[in-house]
Amino acid sequence: GEDVEQSLFLSVREGDSSVINCTYTDSSSTYLYWYKQEPGAGLQLLTYIFSNMDMKQDQRLTVLLNKKDKHLSLRIADTQTGDSAIYFCAESIGAGNNRKLIWGLGTSLAVNP
Amino acid sequence: DGGITQSPKYLFRKEGQNVTLSCEQNLNHDAMYWYRQDPGQGLRLIYYSQIVNDFQKGDIAEGYSVSREKKESFPLTVTSAQKNPTAFYLCASSHRDGRLAGRQETQYFGPGTRLLVL
Repeated sequence: GEDVEQSLFLSVREGDSSVINCTYTDSSSTYLYWYKQEPGAGLQLLTYIFSNMDMKQDQRLTVLLNKKDKHLSLRIADTQTGDSAIYFCAESIGAGNNRKLIWGLGTSLAVNP
Repeated sequence: DGGITQSPKYLFRKEGQNVTLSCEQNLNHDAMYWYRQDPGQGLRLIYYSQIVNDFQKGDIAEGYSVSREKKESFPLTVTSAQKNPTAFYLCASSHRDGRLAGRQETQYFGPGTRLLVL
């Protein structure tokens, strides 16, 4: 079935790079997303990647997609305390009225000073 | 400013009571969604609507109802039939399935409503 998996926790030191990993099962996914959620808040779109790309860079964020292994990663360079949050990976599958997002459970990133 | 608003931020429900959560967007999006978030369970889809006057059940629709009378608004009612309503409720909106090549349906989220049972 459709499934997206992420590790639940990651702890890094301020200034280091963070790498959050995600695996998915549906090979027909069209877009893959990374969202950030701060405590008590809604989800904020960080970035997305189309399934025919293997890398996307946006300032401190780098997304890598390995379609063969169905593996997606989000790298945050120079991680700051403000990056502490839960990061959700999601894949878009289906088409038209049947299009939906399949969500991971989220990775809680703790940034230590 | 364009965006999605949800109200109230906190909502208390008494036993046997129906409560309605508001979601409004001024992004001119056709599609709107309601999710429920519980600790350790990620996001689960309750209902979604691709167009005015039409909506479909998501994965956990039992005990909830929605309406979509206006493009901008997609209120969610948590009925007394929902036995475990305590959760964080998130509303989102997106463009509908694009007819243009490469167009995609990124979902944008509101700030959420936390529902608690008295």
